[in-house]
Amino acid sequence: EAQVTQNPRYLITVTGKKLTVTCSQNMNHEYMSWYRQDPGLGLRQIYYSMNVEVTDKGDVPEGYKVSRKEKRNFPLILESPSPNQTSLYFCASSLRAGGYNEQFFGPGTRLTVL
Amino acid sequence: AQSVSQHNHHVILSEAASLELGCNYSYGGTVNLFWYVQYPGQHLQLLLKYFSGDPLVKGIKGFEAEFIKSKFSFNLRKPSVQWSDTAEYFCAVNAGNKIIFGKGTRLHILP
Repeated sequence: EAQVTQNPRYLITVTGKKLTVTCSQNMNHEYMSWYRQDPGLGLRQIYYSMNVEVTDKGDVPEGYKVSRKEKRNFPLILESPSPNQTSLYFCASSLRAGGYNEQFFGPGTRLTVL
Repeated sequence: AQSVSQHNHHVILSEAASLELGCNYSYGGTVNLFWYVQYPGQHLQLLLKYFSGDPLVKGIKGFEAEFIKSKFSFNLRKPSVQWSDTAEYFCAVNAGNKIIFGKGTRLHILP
């Protein structure tokens, strides 16, 4: 089944404790991205990747890191999480960047930083 | 600046009512527009998209949207809503390599 998977689905952590949220897609998509969803603010793009070893900042990159060593994986890293990073995070992929390519979303990761 | 505006943040309708959700965009490049839907507790999925040709596009579950270039709009419509349409709806534009989403419209259908 074609899908985007994320792990963990739920995470509660404390300020400053490094964490990684994994994202994997099995559709051989070139483009992958991370979003955070907050009430009243919609989805905001954190980082995106056009292909392996090519990543770039979205609209809200501060406090996050990403890497794209393999085509299928695009982990999101929070080196020192803070309470303002409490949010619902979605990973998504598409065949290529831009154009008519729609995003396929993962199930989401609900992160709480205490 | 690139942006997407959704005018209605929260809409409440009765079953069988007609629906129109507004979306305006600001982007200077080639326009590719999308509506995504997020049902309660689920991830986002595509409703419909426009990239060229007929400005009236049809999507899943009886939804359609009309691209009006002169108004920079891409409004979502459905002639008769159902209780199962209760969800959050997001308009989005592919802006080069980035994707810009609107803030979303929560739609609540009363049975």
